[in-house]
Amino acid sequence: DIQMTQSPSSVSASVGDRVTITCRASQGISSWLAWYQQKPGKAPKLLIYAASSLQSGVPSRFSGSGSGTDFTLTISSLQPEDFATYYCQQANSFPSFGQGTKVEIK
Amino acid sequence: EVQLVESGGGLVQPGRSLRLSCAASGFTFDDYAMHWVRQAPGKGLEWVSGISWNSGSIGYADSVKGRFTISRDNAKNSLYLQMNSLRAEDTALYYCAKDMGPGIAVAGAIDYWGQGTLVTVSS
Repeated sequence: DIQMTQSPSSVSASVGDRVTITCRASQGISSWLAWYQQKPGKAPKLLIYAASSLQSGVPSRFSGSGSGTDFTLTISSLQPEDFATYYCQQANSFPSFGQGTKVEIK
Repeated sequence: EVQLVESGGGLVQPGRSLRLSCAASGFTFDDYAMHWVRQAPGKGLEWVSGISWNSGSIGYADSVKGRFTISRDNAKNSLYLQMNSLRAEDTALYYCAKDMGPGIAVAGAIDYWGQGTLVTVSS
């Protein structure tokens, strides 16, 4: 099984900040990685797939990069609606998720 | 508009069974793989099971293997999860989710999620 490890577990940031979340796979997964945003009481929402492809309708301030075992989600300028929990998911085999990163208001 | 509507959750005693259903609409159901993903209260996301477009490929998390069975009825645009020998640790919100492609374990992400159905296992 492929284990996904996200860091940090939480981050405090202000509106306008640049936020970076990392995800590491326990073995190489090529570019088969997705990122999701989840707000309290809501279902997850797909942001990025195939490591760097922006899902339709997702603002361009979200971007993804990486390949192999190390990946990054970047929010270029944090907006009030971006405070949420973010999960990575590998899609190289049966899916597995990271433990989540909570983006909180500073 | 893609819609995934789960049903069948509830309170059940340990060791008993429950069957979840997911009604899909707004897309060509038999073109895509489908998944069940769960989230225990206050915890992260856990993939439970997935099934390819034609039921030819099926997978389970180790935590449910041998107890849960996924199935689909393409004629009814429906996905199911039969859950047997339920345990307290199966307590979670269960999401029905659509893959971006036809197969599981073949590089797809999950592009649509239902709102979930809550399963509580307790005596």
